[in-house]
Amino acid sequence: GQQLNQSPQSMFIQEGEDVSMNCTSSSIFNTWLWYKQDPGEGPVLLIALYKAGELTSNGRLTAQFGITRKDSFLNISASIPSDVGIYFCAGDPSGGATNKLIFGTGTLLAVQP
Amino acid sequence: DAGVIQSPRHEVTEMGQEVTLRCKPISGHNSLFWYRQTMMRGLELLIYFNNNVPIDDSGMPEDRFSAKMPNASFSTLKIQPSEPRDSAVYFCASGKTGSARYTFGSGTRLTVV
Repeated sequence: GQQLNQSPQSMFIQEGEDVSMNCTSSSIFNTWLWYKQDPGEGPVLLIALYKAGELTSNGRLTAQFGITRKDSFLNISASIPSDVGIYFCAGDPSGGATNKLIFGTGTLLAVQP
Repeated sequence: DAGVIQSPRHEVTEMGQEVTLRCKPISGHNSLFWYRQTMMRGLELLIYFNNNVPIDDSGMPEDRFSAKMPNASFSTLKIQPSEPRDSAVYFCASGKTGSARYTFGSGTRLTVV
């Protein structure tokens, strides 16, 4: 089946540093999304991407839909302690026909004040 | 809007007992998804409904698992009989047909002893 490989698995950084993580797929996806999960809560949508090459920002977060449609990147600038959590990429291979999202394995982010 | 509401938040049960997890989707959302999250396997889609009809249950691990959506505002996921390996966090998410922008509930943490 389709799989999303997310890297790195974990990151331990100092407050103020920039963060980059990425997600790759063995097949083409038509939609890429990035979610953040806080401890004890469900994932919350951060950014959705719908077109190859699309670059979208949400505050200090910027995400890109790769040209090949097999990858996506998330960058966080000037990290702060509340950025701590698990970040998941997710992809919809169907283009909305099924709404069936496949999730990456997650990147655990720890920010040292 | 209260978001996606799941109950209970925590459930501890003995092996062999029946467990029922409940979900109330966001009003107006017509797609509903049940996911399971474990350290080993990450977020796995178990089943999803569109307009109260099960569309894809290929992720349901075995016959001990069943899900129903009797109306647009309520769904259940039942495990009977439960086993220790079913211990996980179970999430319900809802969305609109044609959109991959899910909203997740806070999850039910299930522990089977």
